[in-house]
Amino acid sequence: GESVGLHLPTLSVQEGDNSIINCAYSNSASDYFIWYKQESGKGPQFIIDIRSNMDKRQGQRVTVLLNKTVKHLSLQIAATQPGDSAVYFCAEATGTYKYIFGTGTRLKVLA
Amino acid sequence: GVTQSPTHLIKTRGQQVTLRCSSQSGHNTVSWYQQALGQGPQFIFQYYREEENGRGNFPPRFSGLQFPNDSSELNVNALELDDSALYLCASSSLGQGSYGYTFGSGTRLTVV
Repeated sequence: GESVGLHLPTLSVQEGDNSIINCAYSNSASDYFIWYKQESGKGPQFIIDIRSNMDKRQGQRVTVLLNKTVKHLSLQIAATQPGDSAVYFCAEATGTYKYIFGTGTRLKVLA
Repeated sequence: GVTQSPTHLIKTRGQQVTLRCSSQSGHNTVSWYQQALGQGPQFIFQYYREEENGRGNFPPRFSGLQFPNDSSELNVNALELDDSALYLCASSSLGQGSYGYTFGSGTRLTVV
């Protein structure tokens, strides 16, 4: 398949380790934040979301942290697996559900 | 889910193209995004109940339609080389809340 991102920041982690992917968002009025995973040749796949009235939300093996003071979002993946290798995008939205996507981070899981 | 057609398309500069999307059943909102290679998706426009509900920074030669049967189209006139990108359709039920958009796999458009 085609590469989603050729010159993206890359995070390399050992299989089984935890991964932390960071994102700075731009609009202090954004009230909804989402993390998407995108594999080569595919569209973005929803991972987890969080509203601005929360600072932490947990899913299965994933946690999203929101720091509104510094407009920062992070995605933590526990026990990273080879299938987690992909490009990860954060997105912010305000009410109308128009998403503004970040530039993306490529996650490489090393065996 | 959301299905898009065709998966790949090659067009010549100046031509017109229509991309199609079939939304998830019951979703009343569809958005289109353009994703250039190596970048995040950029919002083109959103349709809610067959009317344009918001638009990004794209010229009028990008237009769309949403139909009552959960399908929609993105039309691009007078294609330019920079229009080469992955075009993503995403559907949602506006007001649904925490589940956000479901994206299709996209149409890869190459303009030569």
